[in-house]
Amino acid sequence: EAGVAQSPRYKIIEKRQSVAFWCNPISGHATLYWYQQILGQGPKLLIQFQNNGVVDDSQLPKDRFSAERLKGVDSTLKIQPAKLEDSAVYLCASSPSLSYNEQFFGPGTRLTVL
Amino acid sequence: SQQGEEDPQALSIQEGENATMNCSYKTSINNLQWYRQNSGRGLVHLILIRSNEREKHSGRLRVTLDTSKKSSSLLITASRAADTASYFCATDVEAGTALIFGKGTTLSVSS
Repeated sequence: EAGVAQSPRYKIIEKRQSVAFWCNPISGHATLYWYQQILGQGPKLLIQFQNNGVVDDSQLPKDRFSAERLKGVDSTLKIQPAKLEDSAVYLCASSPSLSYNEQFFGPGTRLTVL
Repeated sequence: SQQGEEDPQALSIQEGENATMNCSYKTSINNLQWYRQNSGRGLVHLILIRSNEREKHSGRLRVTLDTSKKSSSLLITASRAADTASYFCATDVEAGTALIFGKGTTLSVSS
């Protein structure tokens, strides 16, 4: 079974530029999560989808971050404009359903904002 | 906000020794999970313990949960160099809610 796919793996941008990350969850997984992991810390949830609907985006900085999962499968996370403090690893995870406890993580995208 | 706080922040041991790391959390939980993260990789689920359970085993892993103290411990027995990684505890306050992770313990196992 293929795991969660993310691209790109690495991205370096200047502050105030825009960037987008892509995630393809495990086939059949209805629930998708985006986490931000700053160096030396644990992952922090940005947004949670159930199919193509948002379940929780309370910690998403909506003035600069946006995410969509239009067809309920793959998802994109965008930052516009980026700030220095957005430098982090962005992790995508999926699970079969909301009630399924284990989450399956992708390798992440490491973003460096200069 | 971080729910769990792992202790110690870093741990260095020799192969064959046991490694114990602890996690404390702040609010009532539904489940507590432990994840491992190798350098530059995503997180891998290790074990889940429900709020009504006190101890669980999986291979060389042993997890305990004390809900009265809001704490959990992860024991890795007979450590191997391949166990070198960061270990995170994660909690959810009810079914269907997202996981809240601690800051992690970095384990280094030398041969």
